[in-house]
Amino acid sequence: DTGVSQNPRHKITKRGQNVTFRCDPISEHNRLYWYRQTLGQGPEFLTYFQNEAQLEKSRLLSDRFSAERPKGSFSTLEIQRTEQGDSAMYLCASSSRVTSGGSTDTQYFGPGTRLTVL
Amino acid sequence: AQSVTQLDSQVPVFEEAPVELRCNYSSSVSVYLFWYVQYPNQGLQLLLKYLSGSTLVKGINGFEAEFNKSQTSFHLRKPSVHISDTAEYFCAVSRTSGSRLTFGEGTQLTVNP
Repeated sequence: DTGVSQNPRHKITKRGQNVTFRCDPISEHNRLYWYRQTLGQGPEFLTYFQNEAQLEKSRLLSDRFSAERPKGSFSTLEIQRTEQGDSAMYLCASSSRVTSGGSTDTQYFGPGTRLTVL
Repeated sequence: AQSVTQLDSQVPVFEEAPVELRCNYSSSVSVYLFWYVQYPNQGLQLLLKYLSGSTLVKGINGFEAEFNKSQTSFHLRKPSVHISDTAEYFCAVSRTSGSRLTFGEGTQLTVNP
């Protein structure tokens, strides 16, 4: 198991285009989170899934943003009609309630997808 | 709602010197506390966390943090830093185990030779 993976690592798009990012969590982690990080700031929460159910969405997640986790494994984050203000690093994290003498519910982060909107 | 304040945006230190990165939080309920480190162009790596129990928490890479409920602080310390500790450090809180993390704005630690 190599941890949380995200694709693509970098995405450059023109304003008005749609983009989609993918996140593959750690195997068997049932919780998956999306955060957005702009330059010089800490990550901000966007949304969270437990299995395939989207349990919480931030007010930051406008109507142009949609996230899915159809089979409770990988997740996609789509941004429609991108704007320059969408330029940021999009981070995915996963966690699990299953314990085996280790930590519970620690969020493990992927390397992120850096979006640049021209 | 929770909030996190990291009191220093940048902390420059010399190699082998001690360092303290300060974090204060605000919450109307009990919280869980975390410190993450972010190296350039990478995701976040957990350094340590406080869920309950002993207020002194030891983490990876020789870091430790102390939870102070009365002062609502969770400062990160290391007795002797290395060049490789140069990175951005984020303090975070969550209301329950597994819920969303609320991050501070980060502290850039720069270790100079």
